[in-house]
Amino acid sequence: AAGVIQSPRHLIKEKRETATLKCYPIPRHDTVYWYQQGPGQDPQFLISFYEKMQSDKGSIPDRFSAQQFSDYHSELNMSSLELGDSALYFCASSSGQGGTEAFFGQGTRLTVV
Amino acid sequence: KQEVTQIPAALSVPEGENLVLNCSFTDSAIYNLQWFRQDPGKGLTSLLLIQSSQREQTSGRLNASLDKSSGRSTLYIAASQPGDSATYLCAVRLRTSPGGANSKLTFGKGITLSVRP
Repeated sequence: AAGVIQSPRHLIKEKRETATLKCYPIPRHDTVYWYQQGPGQDPQFLISFYEKMQSDKGSIPDRFSAQQFSDYHSELNMSSLELGDSALYFCASSSGQGGTEAFFGQGTRLTVV
Repeated sequence: KQEVTQIPAALSVPEGENLVLNCSFTDSAIYNLQWFRQDPGKGLTSLLLIQSSQREQTSGRLNASLDKSSGRSTLYIAASQPGDSATYLCAVRLRTSPGGANSKLTFGKGITLSVRP
């Protein structure tokens, strides 16, 4: 069965650079979520989209932005990167506006040097 | 603010043992609760989803129960195997009014399970 696809799997950036993470949800899933997991930490909710509109916002820094496109894929744009942004970034998808089972991708490991 | 607690942080058991992983949450107004497995440096694999109206869900050797009033869920693993070694996280989704679900999943810090051969 198709899963959530994230790209790239690994990314190394320097401080103050910009990074773009991509997420392709499971087919026919219309909701996408982004989470950040620091080393040894639990995943923290960043932002979610339903039907291409932002549905909820968590602890996402102002330096980050995200959107969901007409084909339901989503991109997380991160600017002015800081060392503390180094983490595993997960995308998840589900069908419907919240409440249904969320399926996670394998994550993008971002390292800021 | 919803807080999710999983104790202990780590657990080591011999192969074949039946075990229970605990999860507690502070706000009982949940929409559902989901258990995940995470291998080191890998993604989150959904194991079981329990809706707030349900008491338990089963999948193979896994059984998850939910006691919403006491703010607790347990994940029961029968006949543990070395391949079960991983971190197990529970996550809750709050209910919103009128009867909808919040997008956000609030995670516990997980229990790292090691099953010794």
